[in-house]
Amino acid sequence: SQQGEEDPQALSIQEGENATMNCSYKTSINNLQWYRQNSGRGLVHLILIRSNEREKHSGRLRVTLDTSKKSSSLLITASRAADTASYFCATDGPSGGYQKVTFGTGTKLQVIP
Amino acid sequence: KAGVTQTPRYLIKTRGQQVTLSCSPISGHRSVSWYQQTPGQGLQFLFEYFSETQRNKGNFPGRFSGRQFSNSRSEMNVSTLELGDSALYLCASSPGQVYGYTFGSGTRLTVV
Repeated sequence: SQQGEEDPQALSIQEGENATMNCSYKTSINNLQWYRQNSGRGLVHLILIRSNEREKHSGRLRVTLDTSKKSSSLLITASRAADTASYFCATDGPSGGYQKVTFGTGTKLQVIP
Repeated sequence: KAGVTQTPRYLIKTRGQQVTLSCSPISGHRSVSWYQQTPGQGLQFLFEYFSETQRNKGNFPGRFSGRQFSNSRSEMNVSTLELGDSALYLCASSPGQVYGYTFGSGTRLTVV
């Protein structure tokens, strides 16, 4: 079963624009992560945000976490054609102890040159 | 630093057969997790091993099993293959819970 659900399922933007993807989850968590997957390949870890953090940056990526709403967003600024991929959020939960990491359904992003 | 290595990359098997997939994690990573990815179900957690012990298990039938060796390499086995087992099987390693996973390129299994 999926813990997280991304929204939108698919997103198409022009190069240079910003892309925002959202993730909602069901139970309390220790950490939330975002991953990128190029077609048919392994996932690449982008960023991890802990449950006591509200915002984190890494290059052109900005992640926010709202534990009261059980939601997170990933913002990619100044998108490039190479950002075309599927993006997944992953959560471990419920919080407390070690929990398995489950992935959301993913957002398919297309950046048009 | 070598990444996570999964072998083989592609596999075609017949219904009823069994298959063993291999994963070599990044050196020093003691946690290895396995996921099944299909277009319909997305990424489904299979199991996670840490220091040769299965620490977590997903909701898969007993036909799916795994193990981890003392050098942290891991194998997963699927017996009595069904058509629905066709999927991309991904292995991921991690040094610990507060770190992200490093994924291998996966093994694409086709059951005919």
